Amino acid sequence: KQEVTQIPAALSVPEGENLVLNCSFTDSAIYNLQWFRQDPGKGLTSLLLIQSSQREQTSGRLNASLDKSSGRSTLYIAASQPGDSATYLCAVDLRTYKYIFGTGTRLKVLA
Amino acid sequence: GAGVSQSPSNKVTEKGKDVELRCDPISGHTALYWYRQSLGQGLEFLIYFQGNSAPDKSGLPSDRFSAERTGGSVSTLTIQRTQQEDSAVYLCASSRTGTTADTQYFGPGTRLTVL
Repeated sequence: KQEVTQIPAALSVPEGENLVLNCSFTDSAIYNLQWFRQDPGKGLTSLLLIQSSQREQTSGRLNASLDKSSGRSTLYIAASQPGDSATYLCAVDLRTYKYIFGTGTRLKVLA
Repeated sequence: GAGVSQSPSNKVTEKGKDVELRCDPISGHTALYWYRQSLGQGLEFLIYFQGNSAPDKSGLPSDRFSAERTGGSVSTLTIQRTQQEDSAVYLCASSRTGTTADTQYFGPGTRLTVL
């Protein structure tokens, strides 16, 4: 059974810091991995999608990497801002049209 | 708006009552998904629709849960004889074709509280 774990569960950093969020999964037979952001009272917003044949994706200050063999993905946020405060979720796609989600990392960026 | 919408945004009900949660996907999206997010838990897949049919109902936790989709658009998730453990945020998502490379777009969710 695929399990997805995110570390840390919560993180508080001062504005301007670079930070790394970690996601690990137990079954490397994934089709893709996606990082989402969830703001309180709102739905999820897709940040980056990495297909299994890719090693990383970048969007602005965000960079996500994928290492299927080790069952790991990292989300790197450069020069963090208070507006980055949210819960970040990673999800793996098992080719069955459904995602298995991690429990998330709650990020707070202090001004 | 062009996003996924859900109603109601909040629902408080008494144990044993039935509830219906509604999802309006993005126009033209053929795939629709329901997820549940319980306190302290990750998102849990419930059901997937492709058009009006549900090829994957594997996530429905019990026979008290059912869902339908009509006209390839609006979907309703029904929970009968609600229990306190049903309290959660229910999220709906849609994607253009349902292929695994498609991004899923999520609605804001319905927060269900069963007293």
